[in-house]
Amino acid sequence: KQEVTQIPAALSVPEGENLVLNCSFTDSAIYNLQWFRQDPGKGLTSLLLIQSSQREQTSGRLNASLDKSSGRSTLYIAASQPGDSATYLCAVTGGVMDSSYKLIFGSGTRLLVRP
Amino acid sequence: GAGVSQTPSNKVTEKGKYVELRCDPISGHTALYWYRQSLGQGPEFLIYFQGTGAADDSGLPNDRFFAVRPEGSVSTLKIQRTERGDSAVYLCASSLVGDPDEDNEQFFGPGTRLTVL
Repeated sequence: KQEVTQIPAALSVPEGENLVLNCSFTDSAIYNLQWFRQDPGKGLTSLLLIQSSQREQTSGRLNASLDKSSGRSTLYIAASQPGDSATYLCAVTGGVMDSSYKLIFGSGTRLLVRP
Repeated sequence: GAGVSQTPSNKVTEKGKYVELRCDPISGHTALYWYRQSLGQGPEFLIYFQGTGAADDSGLPNDRFFAVRPEGSVSTLKIQRTERGDSAVYLCASSLVGDPDEDNEQFFGPGTRLTVL
């Protein structure tokens, strides 16, 4: 059964720092991987989706990479800002024993960017 | 157009009562999903609709939970005889299709926070 782990659980950085959030998954037979942002008391905002055939996706200051064979993804945030403070969730679809449409989430990384 | 919307945003009920949670997906999205999120955890899958039919309801915790999507658009999640353990945020998502070989990026609504006293 697919399991997703995110490290660290929480991260506090000063404004302007570049940072990396990590996501690992146990079954490399995924269809795709999505990174989400969740603000307190709010729903999820999709940041980036990487198909299994892709290595990375970029959107503005965000860059997500995928190494399917090793079961890892990273979300790189450049020049962090206080407005980036939120919980970042990684989720995958697929796995040998899992469906192609069901997102399986990690527990998230809570990011605080200090002014 | 608008994103995924969910109503109510908050629902407080007493143990044993019946509740309905509503989801309006993005117009034209054929696939709809319900997830449940407990505090400090990532969302967990409940059910997936492709059109009007529940293609996968394997995540529903027990038979007190039921969901419908009669016209292939709006969906209602129904919980009978609510228990305190049902307290969570219920999230709805939709995607253009469910097929991973096409565009199945999921877009989420703001959620309904259910509190069972």
